[in-house]
Amino acid sequence: DQQVKQNSPSLSVQEGRISILNCDYTNSMFDYFLWYKKYPAEGPTFLISISSIKDKNEDGRFTVFLNKSAKHLSLHIVPSQPGDSAVYFCAALERGSEKLVFGKGTKLTVNP
Amino acid sequence: KAGVTQTPRYLIKTRGQQVTLSCSPISGHRSVSWYQQTPGQGLQFLFEYFSETQRNKGNFPGRFSGRQFSNSRSEMNVSTLELGDSALYLCASRTVPRGSKNIQYFGAGTRLSVL
Repeated sequence: DQQVKQNSPSLSVQEGRISILNCDYTNSMFDYFLWYKKYPAEGPTFLISISSIKDKNEDGRFTVFLNKSAKHLSLHIVPSQPGDSAVYFCAALERGSEKLVFGKGTKLTVNP
Repeated sequence: KAGVTQTPRYLIKTRGQQVTLSCSPISGHRSVSWYQQTPGQGLQFLFEYFSETQRNKGNFPGRFSGRQFSNSRSEMNVSTLELGDSALYLCASRTVPRGSKNIQYFGAGTRLSVL
């Protein structure tokens, strides 16, 4: 049973526009959420995180929103750049655990 | 600071063989976790080591094992390889102040192909 779901396998946006990547989770014990970016032939790179006590965290062009009642989070990238093209993974940590639970990823393509 | 280093980058083995993968964490990081990435299952947690002890374990058979050395370097072993073990194996390290959420930093992975 998948506890972290990224229902869109792919997303394509124009350079300069907003990219919105979505993630849903089922486990109410998750209390920390992370986004990782992965390029081919490289390991995942940490992007941004959010604690369950917050509903928004911003870092430059990247903003993560958390809606706990809906068990939903989203990553906004504004403005999108061609270098943002990669696979984005949503991950979650359960309270008291350091075992990352990943979604299956969304492949973002930013077209020039 | 050097990142997480995994060796080798690529491996080809045949069914029934065993394999050992190596991971050197970021200097100062004492926790090492291993993950398996496959197209069908995505990224799945294998196990975590801290202070040479396994602290967490995922839902993998006993053929998958690991260990950690006193310098925090870790190895992962898979015995009696099966075709389904073909995957990208990722190692991640983090610092460990107890009770704190720390970011896990990943290596580039070892691509294992079982023929």
